[in-house]
Order: sequence, then structure tokens, then C-alpha cells
Amino acid sequence: DAEITQSPRHKITETGRQVTLACHQTWNHNNMFWYRQDLGHGLRLIHYSYGVHDTNKGEVSDGYSVSRSNTEDLPLTLESAASSQTSVYFCASSPGQGAFGYTFGSGTRLTVV
Amino acid sequence: DQQVKQNSPSLSVQEGRISILNCDYTNSMFDYFLWYKKYPAEGPTFLISISSIKDKNEDGRFTVFLNKSAKHLSLHIVPSQPGDSAVYFCAASGNTGNQFYFGTGTSLTVIP
Repeated sequence: DAEITQSPRHKITETGRQVTLACHQTWNHNNMFWYRQDLGHGLRLIHYSYGVHDTNKGEVSDGYSVSRSNTEDLPLTLESAASSQTSVYFCASSPGQGAFGYTFGSGTRLTVV
Repeated sequence: DQQVKQNSPSLSVQEGRISILNCDYTNSMFDYFLWYKKYPAEGPTFLISISSIKDKNEDGRFTVFLNKSAKHLSLHIVPSQPGDSAVYFCAASGNTGNQFYFGTGTSLTVIP
């Protein structure tokens, strides 16, 4: 069965360290997204990609980067982790034009100490 | 600026009664609307959708109503069950459906 997986499920890191969160989907979806979920803010878009080598900034992209070298993966990198980036991160994918809705991963809980 | 708003952070309902979750949006270009359900420690899962050409969509116990003139949609759950206790997010997108904007979520508790 097709799926979308995130790893790790939990991560504790220190302020200033570089951290990469993995997202891998086997749906063959063109579109992939990274969101963060924080109390009182809901799901906020960090970065998204509409295909290989395409990346775009979302509403809370500062301090994050992504790259899309293949269809299946969209890793999210925190260049220099900050305590404000403590959050739950969700990756999602969708087929693209004409098909709607996302399939979400199970999330990564990141704590920056 | 939040384009999709859920003004009720939480809602408690007795089992068997109706749950009504509300969502407002500001962008008149939104054409597609979704509701997602999220349990703790899991990713959101798709629940029900509606496009702007309709004002109602029903799927079992779940019905979504859309009022385009008021820029308002609501999710009705009848009858509510304890297993419905979760956080519900509404989301909206333009006509490409490529990018959805999410509300802040409403935590529903169904009391047995």
C-alpha cells in the first residue's frame, strides 16, 4: 500500500544545531508540503514543492529549507535550530492539478533545548 | 493574516446529540473546502469535502454546509459518538486545489 512516512517520530536537539526531518511518500504525488502545528496557530505552511527541483516558501519559512531531488522525498532542514522551532511537524502530499486534498504523515515532534 | 478561521477552540457535546463545528474564511477566491480530523500523535486524516458549486455534502453521519455569501462553512456530526472526539481542522483552496489554508482547529469532546 502507498504511504507517506516521516522520520524520526521524536527528536530532541540543541539550539544552533542543524536538523533534518525526513518525509518519504510512495503515492507518486507531485505535490509535497511541510506544515508545523502549534497551539493557537493550527497548521502553518513552511515550504512546498509542486515537483522535482521545485520549491516554494510558505508563510513561516524563515530558518527552514527544503530540496526536492526526486518525486518521493522532501526533507526539511532547520539550518540553526532555535527554541521557537519546537513544534510538531507534518509532511503532506497530494496528486496535484484536478485532485484535491492532502495525505498527511504521522508527524515529527521536535524539541529544541 | 489568517485566511481561514475557526473561532471556537473547543466544543463539548453529549453522545447522541448533534455537533456543529464552524469555519469562516476571508478569500472569496476559495473554491474547495475540506474538513480533517486529527487524533493525538497522529497526522490529520481527510473527513469530507465540498466545492463551491454545492451548498451541502453529506457522508454518513457527517454533513458539510457551505454559505458562500457569508464565507462560512460548518460541519455537522449526527449523532455524535465518543470516537468522534478529536481536533477538527477546516481547510480551503483556490480552484487548482494545489495549496490549502488551514484553520486553527476545534477540539471536540463527545461525552458518553
